[in-house]
Amino acid sequence: DAKTTQPPSMDCAEGRAANLPCNHSTISGNEYVYWYRQIHSQGPQYIIHGLKNNETNEMASLIITEDRKSSTLILPHATLRDTAVYYCIVRVAGTGGFKTIFGAGTRLFVKA
Amino acid sequence: DGGITQSPKYLFRKEGQNVTLSCEQNLNHDAMYWYRQDPGQGLRLIYYSQIVNDFQKGDIAEGYSVSREKKESFPLTVTSAQKNPTAFYLCASRLNSDNEQFFGPGTRLTVL
Repeated sequence: DAKTTQPPSMDCAEGRAANLPCNHSTISGNEYVYWYRQIHSQGPQYIIHGLKNNETNEMASLIITEDRKSSTLILPHATLRDTAVYYCIVRVAGTGGFKTIFGAGTRLFVKA
Repeated sequence: DGGITQSPKYLFRKEGQNVTLSCEQNLNHDAMYWYRQDPGQGLRLIYYSQIVNDFQKGDIAEGYSVSREKKESFPLTVTSAQKNPTAFYLCASRLNSDNEQFFGPGTRLTVL
């Protein structure tokens, strides 16, 4: 199974870009990279996903390296409300369909 | 409003009692999932179901049981065989294997 590695925590100043890295060196060709975030005691929220190309939506940008072994989630102008745990996930095919395995994630602290 | 609901938000039970956690979705999603989260940890997959009347064990299924008799419902029973049931339980659903997951608000179970 493809696994991901993320730093346990990061700090970011309010208004600055937050760049959250993720390593997924064993990713296979048909597996997508997904990002979710979880604010304390709530259910995780989907942010963005991609396969090969860089992606952008109203929340964030996702940059995937050409060899697909790592990616970076970019929050362009972090606010205090972006303080959360961010999960980088690679989709895994399991019996009966795709499982989704969450690691420990990166705890992002946005500071005023 | 479409969404995924879990009830209750907080649940207390005595040790040795079975307890069933509710998860309902009106998103017409095929797949549903149950995760467990312990303090400061990531999500661990308990069970998942791709279609009605079918489900698969996740990584920590021992001591849990599920049913999927209806598309919109995926209840989780925490049995007395689960040695350490106190945790935050999250339910999720997904339209199909190519889409993101949507999470419910979670149920915090405390076994006394």
